Amino acid sequence: DSGVTQTPKHLITATGQRVTLRCSPRSGDLSVYWYQQSLDQGLQFLIQYYNGEERAKGNILERFSAQQFPDLHSELNLSSLELGDSALYFCASSVGLLAATDTQYFGPGTRLTVL
Amino acid sequence: AQSVTQLGSHVSVSEGALVLLRCNYSSSVPPYLFWYVQYPNQGLQLLLKYTSAATLVKGINGFEAEFKKSETSFHLTKPSAHMSDAAEYFCAVSGGTNFGNEKLTFGTGTRLTIIP
Repeated sequence: DSGVTQTPKHLITATGQRVTLRCSPRSGDLSVYWYQQSLDQGLQFLIQYYNGEERAKGNILERFSAQQFPDLHSELNLSSLELGDSALYFCASSVGLLAATDTQYFGPGTRLTVL
Repeated sequence: AQSVTQLGSHVSVSEGALVLLRCNYSSSVPPYLFWYVQYPNQGLQLLLKYTSAATLVKGINGFEAEFKKSETSFHLTKPSAHMSDAAEYFCAVSGGTNFGNEKLTFGTGTRLTIIP
């Protein structure tokens, strides 16, 4: 158990809908990272927040947005969903703001299926 | 920009045999390199990382990797495979603390199967 929790575990929805994925980092960790893992694209970095502020952006679509709240939990919002958005979405957390030097601890993921 | 290539999407080895998973990187700045493992229905777990110190890096569960700049490689090895090593392994690269290049870029993964 990494200490990172993600809810829900599974999500099934229809095209055009909007969903929210939630992540609670390990106690004491200030950074939250979001990743997407799909068969087509592999594992891709989406976005990083550090202590409530956006720190780094990766291959995140404009239809997707994220935020980190004062209690440090984070939400990833996916809107106007398409079939291709079906994937496993991971959240990771680390103590500091440096993605490379701080060990990232991954949650178990949320499996999103868009029908 | 950084990228990694993992050679072999599937590797099978016999229990007790040497495990060798290959990773080659490309980076415009001195790289930081990582190996992660993903067990079924779980998130990724860091096995080891290279951050410009010793070129031979030892990780958890008996794994190690050697950074070879001349070959742009960071192959993962374990002398003797255990059944519990069956999982998917991901190599990743980062530009380290070089601002704007910090994010981790992952390879496509290698699924390791252990034959009893």
